[in-house]
Amino acid sequence: DAGVTQSPTHLIKTRGQQVTLRCSPKSGHDTVSWYQQALGQGPQFIFQYYEEEERQRGNFPDRFSGHQFPNYSSELNVNALLLGDSALYLCASSLARTGSGYTFGSGTRLTVV
Amino acid sequence: QKEVEQNSGPLSVPEGAIASLNCTYSDRGSQSFFWYRQYSGKSPELIMFIYSNGDKEDGRFTAQLNKASQYVSLLIRDSQPSDSATYLCAFGGSGRGNNRKLIWGLGTSLAVNP
Repeated sequence: DAGVTQSPTHLIKTRGQQVTLRCSPKSGHDTVSWYQQALGQGPQFIFQYYEEEERQRGNFPDRFSGHQFPNYSSELNVNALLLGDSALYLCASSLARTGSGYTFGSGTRLTVV
Repeated sequence: QKEVEQNSGPLSVPEGAIASLNCTYSDRGSQSFFWYRQYSGKSPELIMFIYSNGDKEDGRFTAQLNKASQYVSLLIRDSQPSDSATYLCAFGGSGRGNNRKLIWGLGTSLAVNP
C-alpha cells in the first residue's frame, strides 16, 4: 500500500525562477492538500484539490498555483521565486468522505538562492 | 489572538514519566482535532484524532478534548527516548464537509531523557 509520494525530495532554484512540485496521494485517497513549512514553524495551508478543482485556498499569492489530475495526483507550481519561498513543501492526501486525518508525504525541501 | 496556541517548549521529561502536551484553539466551530508527531527534517505523522469531548486512548497515548474550554491535550505514558520530537496540534478549520483545511500550532518540542 503506497503512501504519499512527493518528488523531487530536494531542489535548489534561483530567485525569479519557476518550480513544479509533484505529489501522488495514498492509494484510495481522492483529496490533496499542499502545505508550506518554514523552519521552526507549523505547516501553513496553501490550497486543497478535490475532483480536479481547487476547493480551498490559504493566504498565499497567485504565484502559487496547482493542478489535480484524473488519477488524483497533483502539482504545485510557484512562479517568480523569492528567497522567502525557501521551505519544506508538504503534500497531504485524504479521503473526502471520512475526514479522519491526513497522510503526509516526506516533503520537498526547496531552497531559493 | 492566534488560532492555535501551543507552548513551544522544550518540554523535558525523564524516561518512563508521563509527558503532557497542551493546545488551545480559538474557533468554537471546530469539530475535529489532531495530534501529529514530527521528527526533525521529516514530515508530520498522525498520532491521534478526536472529535468528542472527553478522553480517547490509543496505546501509550491519550488525547483529551474540552470544547467548552477550547482545549485539547495529549498525554504520553511511559515516555521513551524515541518519543523525542516536535508535537503539532491541528484542528479542522473552515471548509466543506469532511475536507476541512488543517490549522496548525507551532509545535511543542519534547525531549525524553534516558
